[in-house]
Amino acid sequence: NAGVTQTPKFRVLKTGQSMTLLCAQDMNHEYMYWYRQDPGMGLRLIHYSVGEGTTAKGEVPDGYNVSRLKKQNFLLGLESAAPSQTSVYFCASSPLGRGQSPLHFGNGTRLTVT
Amino acid sequence: KQEVTQIPAALSVPEGENLVLNCSFTDSAIYNLQWFRQDPGKGLTSLLLIQSSQREQTSGRLNASLDKSSGRSTLYIAASQPGDSATYLCAVVQSTGANNLFFGTGTRLTVIP
Repeated sequence: NAGVTQTPKFRVLKTGQSMTLLCAQDMNHEYMYWYRQDPGMGLRLIHYSVGEGTTAKGEVPDGYNVSRLKKQNFLLGLESAAPSQTSVYFCASSPLGRGQSPLHFGNGTRLTVT
Repeated sequence: KQEVTQIPAALSVPEGENLVLNCSFTDSAIYNLQWFRQDPGKGLTSLLLIQSSQREQTSGRLNASLDKSSGRSTLYIAASQPGDSATYLCAVVQSTGANNLFFGTGTRLTVIP
């Protein structure tokens, strides 16, 4: 059982470049989330989805876009990367929202923007 | 805005010791609280989930307590082992209906053999 899989694991971008991070879950979970983790700060929610075809903004959505065309996949896009987006990005999923069920996390994508 | 604090940032203990990790939050109107473990270079693993109506949850050597009125939670680890070495994070969900978890910055635990 793979759980939550994130690709790629590492990426280096130049300022202004674009990229898409892919998250895939095989647990049939309705809820999916994108978080970023920065040193000295807790994880912060970027965007989330409550089901196929839905997305919603989290705490720090600026500069990011997301799509959930299939239930098992949640994509995070950076249209024009900035150094401030250097971070570790985590995808998570859960069967229920509002933390009513444990979140399952992927292993993260380490992104550096130069 | 909810602020979640975990003190200390790092803790070293000898193997076999019982220990307590602390989590405090500024807004007591929470829906639930989760404790997570994060190993270096890995994602988070959920350890315990406490609903706002509960006082504690137990799983094996782990026991988490919740005192909403004082804005505190503790994670008790009994008979610590080197394999318990990791960063432990707590996160709360507000009772306002949002889906966001507010995370603390974690306590990095090292259990010395």
